[in-house]
Amino acid sequence: KAGVTQTPRYLIKTRGQQVTLSCSPISGHRSVSWYQQTPGQGLQFLFEYFSETQRNKGNFPGRFSGRQFSNSRSEMNVSTLELGDSALYLCASSLFGTENTGELFFGEGSRLTVL
Amino acid sequence: AQSVTQPDIHITVSEGASLELRCNYSYGATPYLFWYVQSPGQGLQLLLKYFSGDTLVQGIKGFEAEFKRSQSSFNLRKPSVHWSDAAEYFCAVGANYGGATNKLIFGTGTLLAVQP
Repeated sequence: KAGVTQTPRYLIKTRGQQVTLSCSPISGHRSVSWYQQTPGQGLQFLFEYFSETQRNKGNFPGRFSGRQFSNSRSEMNVSTLELGDSALYLCASSLFGTENTGELFFGEGSRLTVL
Repeated sequence: AQSVTQPDIHITVSEGASLELRCNYSYGATPYLFWYVQSPGQGLQLLLKYFSGDTLVQGIKGFEAEFKRSQSSFNLRKPSVHWSDAAEYFCAVGANYGGATNKLIFGTGTLLAVQP
């Protein structure tokens, strides 16, 4: 069974641009979460989706948004990029509800550098 | 509010020595607790988890952790460290399973270096 796939793995943007990151969950997983990882703030929860609905959202500005498609794939978008958005963005998929084992399966991340 | 504290930012141990990584949590109810490991350039891999029951849980790669409610701790242990264990280790607490969210709160991580 394929793992969580994130694209692109690396990207460089300049301030003011926007970026879209993609995540394909493990087959059969319908819940997708996104985390931002930086040296200063560590791992911080961005948002969580299930059945195309945002179930939970972290404390990030509105420039950070996401969505989930009917095939459970998810994208996140960051608009008007700032230098502080440079980070590793991790996507995790999981089961949900009564099927849930509690484990998040993480992708290798998309490393965003903002210049 | 939920929080996780990993007091050790960096630990160095010799290969073959025992290891204990500390984790303290703050959570109002019975927590769901996890340890994840991250190798350089990689995502996070689950080592073990605690939901309920036996307070000593076994994980992959020879790791174990003990839940101590009285101390609000969930320390990770390994009796004999291998060079391949060098990585960053994250403790996390989860809010609600079988319910509305899979959100995890992570500690700041402990970077483990292994000396030959």
